[in-house]
Amino acid sequence: GQQVQQSPASLVLQEGENAELQCNFSTSLNSMQWFYQRPEGSLVSLFYNPSGTKQSGRLTSTTVIKERRSSLHISSSQITDSGTYLCDTGGADRLTFGKGTQLIIQP
Amino acid sequence: AQTIHQWPVAEIKAVGSPLSLGCTIKGKSSPNLYWYWQATGGTLQQLFYSITVGQVESVVQLNLSASRPKDDQFILSTEKLLLSHSGFYLCARRDRDGNTLYFGEGSRLIVV
Repeated sequence: GQQVQQSPASLVLQEGENAELQCNFSTSLNSMQWFYQRPEGSLVSLFYNPSGTKQSGRLTSTTVIKERRSSLHISSSQITDSGTYLCDTGGADRLTFGKGTQLIIQP
Repeated sequence: AQTIHQWPVAEIKAVGSPLSLGCTIKGKSSPNLYWYWQATGGTLQQLFYSITVGQVESVVQLNLSASRPKDDQFILSTEKLLLSHSGFYLCARRDRDGNTLYFGEGSRLIVV
């Protein structure tokens, strides 16, 4: 089955620094989605990006299918960006999540 | 607006007691529906998915069952809870004409 590896497991940055989160997957994908998990557990969809680059404000997602990886770039990080970032991939029925990257932004 | 309502928000239950978690979808009809479970500090694991009323496929066996009695309703249940059932349960939907996965707010379960 699909294996999804996220790195780093945790990342501590100073406010204003840029963050780069990685998601690597083992087999060809049909979908790639990035989520932000709030401290209480609920998930917010950031990007659906199975290929190419998408940008929304300070967030940019880039997926390179042939390299089996997707990245999430956060520019000029803010304290409110702190939390867990998850990626998931799969088909219409089976969806596999990575273990997530815990991002901590310090003042 | 398309919404996902999960209930209850949180529950504390005794080992061996029954459980029923609900998920109601409002919006586009006939979405694909999913149940996920996350142990504290753990990875989100897909439990079930359903593409239509009455059809549910199991992905991970955790002594739980799921049913889709209506197009807009997805139920997760068990007759006997285990301590290992503790965690956070999330319902998600993906519309037939879309790709994005949307999640409900989740139900937190503590089994004691």
